[in-house]
Amino acid sequence: DGGITQSPKYLFRKEGQNVTLSCEQNLNHDAMYWYRQDPGQGLRLIYYSQIVNDFQKGDIAEGYSVSREKKESFPLTVTSAQKNPTAFYLCASSIQGENNEQFFGPGTRLTVL
Amino acid sequence: GQSLEQPSEVTAVEGAIVQINCTYQTSGFYGLSWYQQHDGGAPTFLSYNALDGLEETGRFSSFLSRSDSYGYLLLQELQMKDSASYFCAVIDRGSTLGRLYFGRGTQLTVWP
Repeated sequence: DGGITQSPKYLFRKEGQNVTLSCEQNLNHDAMYWYRQDPGQGLRLIYYSQIVNDFQKGDIAEGYSVSREKKESFPLTVTSAQKNPTAFYLCASSIQGENNEQFFGPGTRLTVL
Repeated sequence: GQSLEQPSEVTAVEGAIVQINCTYQTSGFYGLSWYQQHDGGAPTFLSYNALDGLEETGRFSSFLSRSDSYGYLLLQELQMKDSASYFCAVIDRGSTLGRLYFGRGTQLTVWP
């Protein structure tokens, strides 16, 4: 079955620690995205990548970093510089076409203690 | 920049019809999408409109008026499982093609 996987589902970290969230897709999509969702909020774009070895900042990139070494993988690192990292993180991928339908992973809920 | 406005909450009873509106401001509109998200789950794509008019997919329909910068999602024959958040999202021609800008979402509660 094709899809997007994110792991883990729940993650707890101490303040000041960097943490990397995994995102893998086997849909053969070129574009991948990371979003952050806070309660009662929409999805805010952190980073996105249209091709391997290339990525762009979204609206809230400060305190985050990404890499895109393989088409299938787009890990997100939440660094200690991110002032309020506790949130629900969603990864998505798409084929860039007319409607740009994005396929989302199940999300990772990060709690920083 | 881009901005989208949609109601924060809507309630309805099973079997009813509900309309969720979305108004947007964007420098270069390309299309309007709708996504559904159940509590704690992943958003899933519902519909896309690039041209004026109504697109129907089963119980769900989506409408767009480009001249009014307005769209809506129409849900008919509501079922309990339709209780979820619904997000409108625009694709902006001025940005990298493929980037979506999401509204804050409308929480739909369906009562028995």
